[in-house]
Amino acid sequence: AQSVTQPDIHITVSEGASLELRCNYSYGATPYLFWYVQSPGQGLQLLLKYFSGDTLVQGIKGFEAEFKRSQSSFNLRKPSVHWSDAAEYFCAVGAAAGNKLTFGGGTRVLVKP
Amino acid sequence: DGGITQSPKYLFRKEGQNVTLSCEQNLNHDAMYWYRQDPGQGLRLIYYSQIVNDFQKGDIAEGYSVSREKKESFPLTVTSAQKNPTAFYLCASTQGALWRTEAFFGQGTRLTVV
Repeated sequence: AQSVTQPDIHITVSEGASLELRCNYSYGATPYLFWYVQSPGQGLQLLLKYFSGDTLVQGIKGFEAEFKRSQSSFNLRKPSVHWSDAAEYFCAVGAAAGNKLTFGGGTRVLVKP
Repeated sequence: DGGITQSPKYLFRKEGQNVTLSCEQNLNHDAMYWYRQDPGQGLRLIYYSQIVNDFQKGDIAEGYSVSREKKESFPLTVTSAQKNPTAFYLCASTQGALWRTEAFFGQGTRLTVV
């Protein structure tokens, strides 16, 4: 069965600084990988997804993620955070078997002025 | 605007009562889903439906029930059998398989047992 680990529960970053959120997955086949963002009290919105091709994926809101098969990782990055990036971020892996989408526990990002 | 509407936003339930959470979508998506969100646990799938009048249990279906009588609607009932119902509930839909397609989410319902 697939699983997703987001090692950092909380991250605090200053506005204008760079941000990197870690995601490690476990899946036997080639995975579909997703990053979603959730603003407080809201639903989730897709930032980006990866299945094949270029391992550096561009998403919305200036985010990008890099797939590293050797490390089973799919880390999310943003070069310069804005106060509006304060939210919870979820990494997810999709598996064809059982039509499943498994989420990590999430990383909550706090942006300091 | 197309999207998913969940209601109510906040819901309070007395122990022993059943409550129904509403989810309506106007995206014309075939598949709909219910997730439960607890702090630090990510999202866990309760039930899903890929077509009208058909639905399947997810990972944590015990104490919940659903119906899918219309393509647009997928209500979730939290029954008195659910031992710990206090949580944030999210409804989602996809046009295509969940494992490889963008899921669109509603704004959620926060259920509290009092």
